[in-house]
Amino acid sequence: AQTVTQSQPEMSVQEAETVTLSCTYDTSESDYYLFWYKQPPSRQMILVIRQEAYKQQNATENRFSVNFQKAAKSFSLKISDSQLGDAAMYFCAYPNAGGTSYGKLTFGQGTILTVHP
Amino acid sequence: KAGVTQTPRYLIKTRGQQVTLSCSPISGHRSVSWYQQTPGQGLQFLFEYFSETQRNKGNFPGRFSGRQFSNSRSEMNVSTLELGDSALYLCASSISTLRGVEAFFGQGTRLTVV
Repeated sequence: AQTVTQSQPEMSVQEAETVTLSCTYDTSESDYYLFWYKQPPSRQMILVIRQEAYKQQNATENRFSVNFQKAAKSFSLKISDSQLGDAAMYFCAYPNAGGTSYGKLTFGQGTILTVHP
Repeated sequence: KAGVTQTPRYLIKTRGQQVTLSCSPISGHRSVSWYQQTPGQGLQFLFEYFSETQRNKGNFPGRFSGRQFSNSRSEMNVSTLELGDSALYLCASSISTLRGVEAFFGQGTRLTVV
């Protein structure tokens, strides 16, 4: 069974600094996707970034980037130039493939990110 | 493009009652999944519907059920509510395209059982 582990329950960063959130996963599949979601106090889950396992290049979305190490099954999220609005709970997620559907997400435990002004 | 819409946003129910939650996915998304989020258990998968068929089911009792309509809208029902069913229920719609996989969430329904 696929599992996702986030070993950092809480992290903090100073505004404008860089922070890295860790995630490891376990799967026997060779081709898959990985997601990072942000959940602010509003509770809305927002897709931050996604990575396709067959792509060697790490995904980047503006200030958010990932360090994807397929062999090590590691998928960390780097937030550069942190802003107060980045404060939220961050979840790493693995969508289980069922045919052509990826509707079953397995989530990590989450990391609460605090941004200090 | 409208996002995933969940209704209602908040619900208060009494133990033993039943409740129905609704989710309208993003247009064109045929997969709808439901999750339960609690402080103790985190995010847990309930079930997924794809083209009106239940594709996957999580480890929840039979009191939790769902369905999907031909327009891809989905409902989940919880019967004989228990205090432990108090949670944030999240719905997600997903699609697999040539550009890759996308999965987006609604704002959730906060269910309180008293």
